[in-house]
Amino acid sequence: KNQVEQSPQSLIILEGKNCTLQCNYTVSPFSNLRWYKQDTGRGPVSLTIMTFSENTKSNGRYTATLDADTKQSSLHITASQLSDSASYICVVTRYNFNKFYFGSGTKLNVKP
Amino acid sequence: NAGVTQTPKFQVLKTGQSMTLQCAQDMNHNSMYWYRQDPGMGLRLIYYSASEGTTDKGEVPNGYNVSRLNKREFSLRLESAAPSQTSVYFCASSHGGSGGDGYTFGSGTRLTVV
Repeated sequence: KNQVEQSPQSLIILEGKNCTLQCNYTVSPFSNLRWYKQDTGRGPVSLTIMTFSENTKSNGRYTATLDADTKQSSLHITASQLSDSASYICVVTRYNFNKFYFGSGTKLNVKP
Repeated sequence: NAGVTQTPKFQVLKTGQSMTLQCAQDMNHNSMYWYRQDPGMGLRLIYYSASEGTTDKGEVPNGYNVSRLNKREFSLRLESAAPSQTSVYFCASSHGGSGGDGYTFGSGTRLTVV
């Protein structure tokens, strides 16, 4: 069964601290994996995309990793800011099937 | 600004009422999607349209109908609303299906059925 699981469900950290969000998937065959940020009351916005051959990709303070062998991805946020408070959603695309599989998200709360 | 526009942003319906959620994109994308988002369940695909003139069921199509009016517009209709359809609805578009371009999402419609 094609699934995407994210952990933790929710996370509270202090401003300035780092954190790592996890995404495990069973989707096959794999095409790509995206991390989205969804602010409260808004639609998700793409942060980064990882393809099969990519291990690490950074977008400012966000760094995504992908291990295609173990089917795991992580999103690392460095020096968190209050504006990082949002839900982070992992989406895996199944190759050639026009199918996208969504994780249920990690809700991050950055406190001052 | 380029993007996906959804209307309305909020709606309250009585059980049994009907309504249509509107979605339009101005990015010349081929594919459009309707998702619902419920707490703890992530985004679930209701219907999608891979290209103008085609529509297909997603994961949770029961109780909904869609119309791909033209390349820009993709509407979602609830014929007889039920409390189980209380949710936040997102429209999205993408250039292709399984390519690497990803989605662009609208800002959502918060629907409450009482």
